[in-house]
Amino acid sequence: QVQLVQSGAEVKKPGASVKVSCKAAGYSFTSFTNYYMHWVRQAPGQGLEWVGVVNTRGGSISYAQEFQGRVTMTRDTSTSTAYMELSSLRSEDTAVYYCARGGGSGEHLDYWGQGTLVTVSS
Amino acid sequence: QSALTQPASVSGSPGQSITISCTGTSSDVGAYNYVSWYQQHPGKAPNLMIYDVSNRPSGVSNRFSGSKSGTTASLTISGLQAEDEADYYCCSFASTSTYVFGTGTKVTVL
Repeated sequence: QVQLVQSGAEVKKPGASVKVSCKAAGYSFTSFTNYYMHWVRQAPGQGLEWVGVVNTRGGSISYAQEFQGRVTMTRDTSTSTAYMELSSLRSEDTAVYYCARGGGSGEHLDYWGQGTLVTVSS
Repeated sequence: QSALTQPASVSGSPGQSITISCTGTSSDVGAYNYVSWYQQHPGKAPNLMIYDVSNRPSGVSNRFSGSKSGTTASLTISGLQAEDEADYYCCSFASTSTYVFGTGTKVTVL
């Protein structure tokens, strides 16, 4: 069965960077369907916010405008692991970050990781 | 890209039907049939309930249904049950090859 397992919680200082990993199991990163990995975040007590998506077959990416220049999404097909790195962290980036597989042709998020809490604090 | 607009809260009694609206623009909800809905219980990851406006993934109760008219999508929960109490979010593909979530709706079962 499909599983997405994310790396553990992180505490970072303002201005630092964080890299969150998401290891997939139960399907192929390079299959002809289900080859997108989205990243979504949720600040404490707030709603869901789409951060971006990476094509796990070819590596192409699309980021939400507000994260352009600060976020980098990559993937390693040999280990079926996706990564999201966010730089120049500020307190407002404190949130749970989720990876989620793009089902079918990618337009819906059918399986989610357990979430990674990133805390930005001086 | 502004968040899609949802009512902050909706409530209903067990057995009743409720509908949650999700209003976007001609660049997102109105332009594509790629609206999905997610249920999130406290402290848990979201769970896909509806995709491509009105399709239900296997395992999701047929009490959940989705529709769209113009720039507004809707999620209807019929035969409301206690376990349906949760937060619900819509999401749409947008013309800039990005995605946008709704503001979220808290469903309370009275």
